[in-house]
Amino acid sequence: EPEVTQTPSHQVTQMGQEVILRCVPISNHLYFYWYRQILGQKVEFLVSFYNNEISEKSEIFDDQFSVERPDGSNFTLKIRSTKLEDSAMYFCASSEAPGQAYEQYFGPGTRLTVT
Amino acid sequence: QQQVKQSPQSLIVQKGGISIINCAYENTAFDYFPWYQQFPGKGPALLIAIRPDVSEKKEGRFTISFNKSAKQFSLHIMDSQPGDSATYFCAACSGNTPLVFGKGTRLSVIA
Repeated sequence: EPEVTQTPSHQVTQMGQEVILRCVPISNHLYFYWYRQILGQKVEFLVSFYNNEISEKSEIFDDQFSVERPDGSNFTLKIRSTKLEDSAMYFCASSEAPGQAYEQYFGPGTRLTVT
Repeated sequence: QQQVKQSPQSLIVQKGGISIINCAYENTAFDYFPWYQQFPGKGPALLIAIRPDVSEKKEGRFTISFNKSAKQFSLHIMDSQPGDSATYFCAACSGNTPLVFGKGTRLSVIA
C-alpha cells in the first residue's frame, strides 16, 4: 500500500539554526500539507501546497517557514532560524486531487527538538 | 468558529465494551468529518469519515453517528480491544480547506 514517507525521523538542532524536513508524498497525489503537533496537543495545520504554490497557510506559518517541491517526488519544509517553541512533531500529508482533498494521508512524522 | 471540540480527553474501557468519543463543531460550512487514529510515535491514520448527507456510517467495529442539527458527531468502537488503545482525533473541513482537528482522546482498553 502506498504511503507518505518522511525523513529524518528525529532531528535535533540548536536554536537559530536552519532545518529542512523532507517528505515523499504518495506518488499520484497532488495536494500536499504540513501539520505540526506539539507534544500532547492537537494536530495543527501549517500550510497546503498545490500546483507548485502555497494554496493556504495558517498564522503559525510565518516568514521563518517555507515549503518547496524541488523535484517530482520530494516536498520539503524549511525553518530558517529555529526557536525553542518550534520543537514538535511535524507531519506531512497528501491527498489525491482537489476534489478529494478530504482524504489526507499522513506520514510518520519528524520529531524536531530545538535546544 | 473554526474549532472542533472533542470529549472526553481520556477514556478507559473494558475489553469487549463500547468506546464512545464525541465531537462538536460550529462552522456549518464543514462538510467532511474524518476520524484519525494515532499510535505513539506514529502519524495520524485515517480511520473512518462521514459527510453530512448521512446520519451514520459503519465500517467493521467502527461507527460514526452524525447529528447535523446539533452539529455533533461521534465515534463508537464496538467490542473494544486492547489493540484499539490509541489517541483518536476527530476533524472537520470543507471544500479544499485544511483539516481542523479536535484535541484528541486517549483511549485505553483494559483486559
